Amino acid sequence: GAVVSQHPSRVICKSGTSVKIECRSLDFQATTMFWYRQFPKQSLMLMATSNEGSKATYEQGVEKDKFLINHASLTLSTLTVTSAHPEDSSFYICSRLAGGADTQYFGPGTRLTVL
Amino acid sequence: AQTVTQSQPEMSVQEAETVTLSCTYDTSESNYYLFWYKQPPSRQMILVIRQEAYKQQNATENRFSVNFQKAAKSFSLKISDSQLGDTAMYFCAFIPYNQGGKLIFGQGTELSVKP
Repeated sequence: GAVVSQHPSRVICKSGTSVKIECRSLDFQATTMFWYRQFPKQSLMLMATSNEGSKATYEQGVEKDKFLINHASLTLSTLTVTSAHPEDSSFYICSRLAGGADTQYFGPGTRLTVL
Repeated sequence: AQTVTQSQPEMSVQEAETVTLSCTYDTSESNYYLFWYKQPPSRQMILVIRQEAYKQQNATENRFSVNFQKAAKSFSLKISDSQLGDTAMYFCAFIPYNQGGKLIFGQGTELSVKP
């Protein structure tokens, strides 16, 4: 069964608003989770590493003030897209790391459309 | 730089036939984990097979098997008895040891299984 859930699965918002996406680890206390962005027919692009109880580590070129990540518990990480614009429309996927830091398990993804 | 190259953007195979997807990677690390992930039209990332680099024996999972050639840095995926449900994007990826569990992804191969 699913080990990672995401909510919502789809969201449509108006330009300028903020959107929060939740990622939950269902079967494991995950100290490390990852957030990805994916455009159609392309590979996953890592945005940031979410660490429980500390600040997220962002990849080069990802605006940390625009993509706010909070990992306040061992089972929940959230990604907030602030002041969303149409170019932020994409598919966002989270994952959690296995205990041995040797495998990632993915959530089902969230499709964000900014009008 | 650590990279993964999938040289076949698209492939097709007849149902019940066998197909091999190519993957090469580049890393200076001697220890790492290799993966094939499947992303069907639902866009849920599904772990297909996992290989530990220190193991010479090729991993198998039912109809899926790999040909791991460490010296050549090659990690191809063979799908036997292809089924319509195998239609998906396939991503080759690896996690170097002691680098926080980050996945390095290839560009993906879009596989179509035709009836």
